[in-house]
Amino acid sequence: GEDVEQSLFLSVREGDSSVINCTYTDSSSTYLYWYKQEPGAGLQLLTYIFSNMDMKQDQRLTVLLNKKDKHLSLRIADTQTGDSAIYFCAEKNAGNMLTFGGGTRLMVKP
Amino acid sequence: DTEVTQTPKHLVMGMTNKKSLKCEQHMGHRAMYWYKQKAKKPPELMFVYSYEKLSINESVPSRFSPECPNSSLLNLHLHALQPEDSALYLCASSQDKRSISSTEAFFGQGTRLTVV
Repeated sequence: GEDVEQSLFLSVREGDSSVINCTYTDSSSTYLYWYKQEPGAGLQLLTYIFSNMDMKQDQRLTVLLNKKDKHLSLRIADTQTGDSAIYFCAEKNAGNMLTFGGGTRLMVKP
Repeated sequence: DTEVTQTPKHLVMGMTNKKSLKCEQHMGHRAMYWYKQKAKKPPELMFVYSYEKLSINESVPSRFSPECPNSSLLNLHLHALQPEDSALYLCASSQDKRSISSTEAFFGQGTRLTVV
């Protein structure tokens, strides 16, 4: 079955860049997503990338996709304390199923 | 409008109660999902509806019963739940694969369910 993996925890200082990594196994992935979840809240879609793209930039967010290695990353430039949250990557396959990684808890220190 | 609206936000129910969770979207999405999320865990897929028909049921116990009355609404009927069913229940929607484009998948804010 599909498998999506992320590291559990990342700590950065305010103003630094954060890079959150994700690997997946399903070669039929169509779209890959990054979601942000704050405590007690739902999932906020941050950005997504189509599987035939290798990069997408959206303001402070840069998504890199290495399809050959099935590796996805999210870079947050100028990280702020408000960026502290859990970040989930997810992949959607041709069957419409969304499979999530385990989430990376980002802690931003002032 | 990129909102998925879920009601209620919080629900406390006894093990003999019957209740329903509701989800609504007006983005024209034809795929809708129910996910269950326990604390500090990723969301786990429960059901997928595609064009108002149940397309995926991830071996969910029958005490959870989904319903899709029309293309904008998705319900989850709850009956005889157990305390271990307490979790955040998330609804999501996306374009169906049969659409020309199939991009964003949006989530609601969830219903935090406590079974006592």
